[in-house]
Amino acid sequence: QSVLTQSPSVSAAPGQKVTISCSGGSSNIGNNYVSWYQQFPGTAPKLLIYENNRRPSGISDRFSGSKSGTSATLGITGLQTGDEADYYCGTWDSSLTAGVFGGGTKLTVL
Amino acid sequence: EVRLVESGGGLVQPGGSLRLSCAASGFTFSNYFMSWVRQAPGKGLEWVANINPDGNDKYHVDSVKGRFTISRDNAKNSLFLQMNSLRVEDTAVYYCARVGYGGNSFDYWGQGTLVTVSS
Repeated sequence: QSVLTQSPSVSAAPGQKVTISCSGGSSNIGNNYVSWYQQFPGTAPKLLIYENNRRPSGISDRFSGSKSGTSATLGITGLQTGDEADYYCGTWDSSLTAGVFGGGTKLTVL
Repeated sequence: EVRLVESGGGLVQPGGSLRLSCAASGFTFSNYFMSWVRQAPGKGLEWVANINPDGNDKYHVDSVKGRFTISRDNAKNSLFLQMNSLRVEDTAVYYCARVGYGGNSFDYWGQGTLVTVSS
């Protein structure tokens, strides 16, 4: 059971927009920055979003992040088949003094 | 170019030990927090441990406390994870990751090393 809660799967058509949510609590999302990761099968995760809504150099502006209270959201616009992957949210939990991740959301581009 | 290369994984019996290594290059290793993150087969990511730049502050997830120890050698640009009393449930790909961007994200990851605990 993950500390952060994500829907197991989401799907949308090419060209559409999708949002992936991540729910937590005051000791984690509520008081710490959230990051998002993309992972393709058999490969290491890749950082997409850090500090809630900032993109590392080289990450497409089709990816965006936001945070409100104890929840965070990853948005992906102009969906492409190449976006099919698992997406994870992550943050620090100040009560656990531990890093925490969501269980991951599998994105299918139909 | 930032590179993180893990090694040391393999097959070990329950109760056994392994020491994972991560060789870092392309950045000033001694300036960064570093972490280990694992992923069991078919499962999600699980943070395992963090270590601060000088190696004096360490944090471990509860499930490995007392069994695993993170450490580093800044002179050799290397990160380690000593794993003792291994359990079947420790079977996973173990990733070395750099903590960047405000101290709350993992901006670079290694390719991972597989640890299999089985009799």
